Amino acid sequence: DSGVTQTPKHLITATGQRVTLRCSPRSGDLSVYWYQQSLDQGLQFLIQYYNGEERAKGNILERFSAQQFPDLHSELNLSSLELGDSALYFCASSTLTSFDTQYFGPGTRLTVL
Amino acid sequence: GIQVEQSPPDLILQEGANSTLRCNFSDSVNNLQWFHQNPWGQLINLFYIPSGTKQNGRLSATTVATERYSLLYISSSQTTDSGVYFCAVGSSGGYNKLIFGAGTRLAVHP
Repeated sequence: DSGVTQTPKHLITATGQRVTLRCSPRSGDLSVYWYQQSLDQGLQFLIQYYNGEERAKGNILERFSAQQFPDLHSELNLSSLELGDSALYFCASSTLTSFDTQYFGPGTRLTVL
Repeated sequence: GIQVEQSPPDLILQEGANSTLRCNFSDSVNNLQWFHQNPWGQLINLFYIPSGTKQNGRLSATTVATERYSLLYISSSQTTDSGVYFCAVGSSGGYNKLIFGAGTRLAVHP
């Protein structure tokens, strides 16, 4: 158990819908990262927050957004869902913003029908 | 951006065998981690090893940062070692985003 929690574990929805994925980092970790794992793209970095502020952005679509709240939990919002958004979404956390181990949560498996 | 290449892409072993997985990266890094993704999809952190050598039980890893490669050694493999092994690197630049390789898929047979 990494100490990072993600909810829900599984999510099945339809095209065009909007969903919210939630992540709670390890106790004491200020940095939260979101990654997407799909069959065709592999594991890709989406976005990083540090203590409530966006720090780095990867290949995140405009239909996707994220935020980190004062209690340090984070949410990833996916809207106007397409079939290609079906993937495993991971949240990770670390204490620092760089030079630090990232610990991954169990992931949320999103299926868009 | 940084390129990460892992080899071999697939590996089949008999229980008890040893193996070496390799990760090459194209630029200097400030973070390198090895992960094991089990058949249930969980990503388990094995090593944080931007340089040097570490050991944890039957697993050990070595990173030679100046030559831009890392090796993961698995000794006396067990069926529970099956899954996909990922190498991920963090680029220099102050942030910690990880760039993942394509992985090595390992199957250990009894």
